Amino acid sequence: AQSVTQPDIHITVSEGASLELRCNYSYGATPYLFWYVQSPGQGLQLLLKYFSGDTLVQGIKGFEAEFKRSQSSFNLRKPSVHWSDAAEYFCAASNSGGSNYKLTFGKGTLLTVNP
Amino acid sequence: DGGITQSPKYLFRKEGQNVTLSCEQNLNHDAMYWYRQDPGQGLRLIYYSQIVNDFQKGDIAEGYSVSREKKESFPLTVTSAQKNPTAFYLCASSTRGGTNEQFFGPGTRLTVL
Repeated sequence: AQSVTQPDIHITVSEGASLELRCNYSYGATPYLFWYVQSPGQGLQLLLKYFSGDTLVQGIKGFEAEFKRSQSSFNLRKPSVHWSDAAEYFCAASNSGGSNYKLTFGKGTLLTVNP
Repeated sequence: DGGITQSPKYLFRKEGQNVTLSCEQNLNHDAMYWYRQDPGQGLRLIYYSQIVNDFQKGDIAEGYSVSREKKESFPLTVTSAQKNPTAFYLCASSTRGGTNEQFFGPGTRLTVL
């Protein structure tokens, strides 16, 4: 079955520190990959996406993610975290061909930023 | 500004009552989706529609119903048959086919008393 796994439920970092949020996927073929961010009580905002080509993708708010086919991973990174980055982060995947109506989400990683 | 609106932001209902959540988009997207979010569970797909007058069940459709009479609108009814309706509900839309990049509304928090 297709699945997306975010191994870390909760991560705490200090402001200014670097950040890496992990995401692994299980799909028959390389899927389309997404990272979304959600502030409390709000909807989801797209941070970045990978469809094909360059495996390092840049997103909004200074985030980037690297697609590694050999590891079935799509980890999200930021070199220096700001207090406003505190939120929940979701990795998602979609079939890259045929009927690709469905986004499969990981269960999310909650990021806490200490001053 | 193009986007997705959901109303109301907060909704309270008594047990046994049906309730309808509104979702409207002006992005000219063909496809629309309803998700349910519970703490620690991520997002689970309830229903989706790829075109007007057509919709399909998602992973957790039991106790829910939808309609798609207009391209811009995709209301969700939470029926009394839904055993645990208290949750955060998110509506999304996308172009049909393509990369399935979905855009989300701000959500409705439903609490059943």
